[in-house]
Amino acid sequence: QQPVQSPQAVILREGEDAVINCSSSKALYSVHWYRQKHGEAPVFLMILLKGGEQKGHEKISASFNEKKQQSSLYLTASQLSYSGTYFCGTERAGANNLFFGTGTRLTVIP
Amino acid sequence: NAGVTQTPKFQVLKTGQSMTLQCAQDMNHNSMYWYRQDPGMGLRLIYYSASEGTTDKGEVPNGYNVSRLNKREFSLRLESAAPSQTSVYFCASSGAAYSNQPQHFGDGTRLSIL
Repeated sequence: QQPVQSPQAVILREGEDAVINCSSSKALYSVHWYRQKHGEAPVFLMILLKGGEQKGHEKISASFNEKKQQSSLYLTASQLSYSGTYFCGTERAGANNLFFGTGTRLTVIP
Repeated sequence: NAGVTQTPKFQVLKTGQSMTLQCAQDMNHNSMYWYRQDPGMGLRLIYYSASEGTTDKGEVPNGYNVSRLNKREFSLRLESAAPSQTSVYFCASSGAAYSNQPQHFGDGTRLSIL
């Protein structure tokens, strides 16, 4: 039931863009995105509900394709502060909890 | 503005010892969760409590027990610690166990079992 994230790791230069994907084999009701910096707790970024709505948060946005059970996180004009590990959490209809992917480690260099 | 508070932050145990990890939230949230995080494995749900008075198993409940003491507090107990339980443990809470509620995490407990 664990979603699959890709890529596992990516290195960017400041100002470059990145896309992180999250896919599930199960029908999804929602997808959550979190960012975790080394040695810290995960921090909530956004929630996508089924319906394909694209959410935005500064220069970080995401989409949810419920037909494909996929979500993508878009980071534009990356900043050094974007470095960290990004996790998606997926929820099925009727469930009370999330299943998290194994994470995508993003490193932004000057 | 404490949010979710976990104690202790670090702990070393010997195999077979028991221990309780404490978690408290001050956001008046209904739902609380315990996760473990191992390298390359992401976050895996151990137990959760959708509301006060209820608890349910997650993905990896074996070797653990939980208690939802009241609305604020949710503890995780290891009855007989094993080296495989060496991990970082995170407690989280959310307004409700529904899809439009973000989860807020504590700073984690780093547990080593020798």
